[in-house]
Amino acid sequence: EIVLTQSPATLSLSPGERATLSCRASESISKYLGWYQQKPGQAPRLLIFDASNRATGVPVRFIGSGSGADFTLTISSLEPEDFAVYYCQQRGDWPPFTFGPGTKVELK
Amino acid sequence: QVQMVQSGAEVRKPGASVKVSCKSSGYSFSRYYMHWVRQAPGQGLEWVGMISPSDGSTSYAQKFQGRVTMTRDPSTTTDYMEMSSLKSEDTAVYYCARGLYEDYGYFDFWGHGAQVTVSS
Repeated sequence: EIVLTQSPATLSLSPGERATLSCRASESISKYLGWYQQKPGQAPRLLIFDASNRATGVPVRFIGSGSGADFTLTISSLEPEDFAVYYCQQRGDWPPFTFGPGTKVELK
Repeated sequence: QVQMVQSGAEVRKPGASVKVSCKSSGYSFSRYYMHWVRQAPGQGLEWVGMISPSDGSTSYAQKFQGRVTMTRDPSTTTDYMEMSSLKSEDTAVYYCARGLYEDYGYFDFWGHGAQVTVSS
């Protein structure tokens, strides 16, 4: 089973700042990584698939990069609505599809 | 617009079973995989399994093999997930999540979630 680790666990930033979130896989998963945003009391929302492809309707400030075992989600300039928990998810080797433990982006 | 409406909250005793439904509308039901993902209180996301749109074949996470059954009814565009031999650790919000058309291994639309509580 592919294990995903995310860092940092919590990121404290202000609106307008750049956020850089990391996801590392226990082995290579090529480009097969997605990112999701989850706000309290809501279902997750797909942001990025295949490491760098934005899902429909996702703002351009969300940028995914990486391949192999190391991936990054960058939010170029944080908007107030971006404060949430972010999960990475792999589909490179399944079943099972697995998720990382999440990074919380909180207001500083 | 795509909508996925899940059944309501359920409370079960340990050892019992629960069946959660997910009714889809606004898209071609027969062309998309459906996944089930759960989230325990204050925890992360865990994939439970998925069902194919073409033949109803299923794939489950090994930890749920033998305890979970996923089915679908195309006539009502509804998916079902039944879990048996429930334990307290199964207490979670259960989401149905549609597989992305370009790659069913990602989940592009999610239901609102169904709370399942297992308690004696």
